[in-house]
Amino acid sequence: QKEVEQDPGPLSVPEGAIVSLNCTYSNSAFQYFMWYRQYSRKGPELLMYTYSSGNKEDGRFTAQVDKSSKYISLFIRDSQPSDSATYLCAMSGDSGGYQKVTFGTGTKLQVIP
Amino acid sequence: EPEVTQTPSHQVTQMGQEVILRCVPISNHLYFYWYRQILGQKVEFLVSFYNNEISEKSEIFDDQFSVERPDGSNFTLKIRSTKLEDSAMYFCASSEPGQANTEAFFGQGTRLTVV
Repeated sequence: QKEVEQDPGPLSVPEGAIVSLNCTYSNSAFQYFMWYRQYSRKGPELLMYTYSSGNKEDGRFTAQVDKSSKYISLFIRDSQPSDSATYLCAMSGDSGGYQKVTFGTGTKLQVIP
Repeated sequence: EPEVTQTPSHQVTQMGQEVILRCVPISNHLYFYWYRQILGQKVEFLVSFYNNEISEKSEIFDDQFSVERPDGSNFTLKIRSTKLEDSAMYFCASSEPGQANTEAFFGQGTRLTVV
């Protein structure tokens, strides 16, 4: 089983839709959960991170972590064409700088005007 | 807005040659990282660097790889004898004290093509 699994998509939605992006993981040591957005041929851009289980909201974005199910989600409300990108989930066991971050393969999202 | 800067944006090299990829992290950051992304695959951790030494490295980061912070601003990744399978996008990242890898800022990447 892969450490982090993410549906590669592509996922196409109409503008204004609510988007749900998900990852599952197998390593119970993961404590920090991050979501990155990556535009084509660009570096990943951090959207938000959460610690342990729970929800976190930032504008149109909401991150959810369910450690009991080893399942994390990113919701995008009122999706915009500018949200079209690849979304990467990422996880680490600790926030310490020496801890490696494990990425999912990314889900490609297209928001159609 | 401060950003991580990587040069060159694209590097083509012959198999067996040495390459040095360069990065200028954000100025007050203390943690530095290299990641790579083979075309169509996931971003993979290579190495983290703190206080002038390697903090952690992955199994990918073998003896042909090395990192260095030669001065107060640059952070480099050297690949001694490149192989075809080293062709990938290489990303440098940095984070500030207290934030570490949960809030790392990535550069735009260097596309390395080994021919």
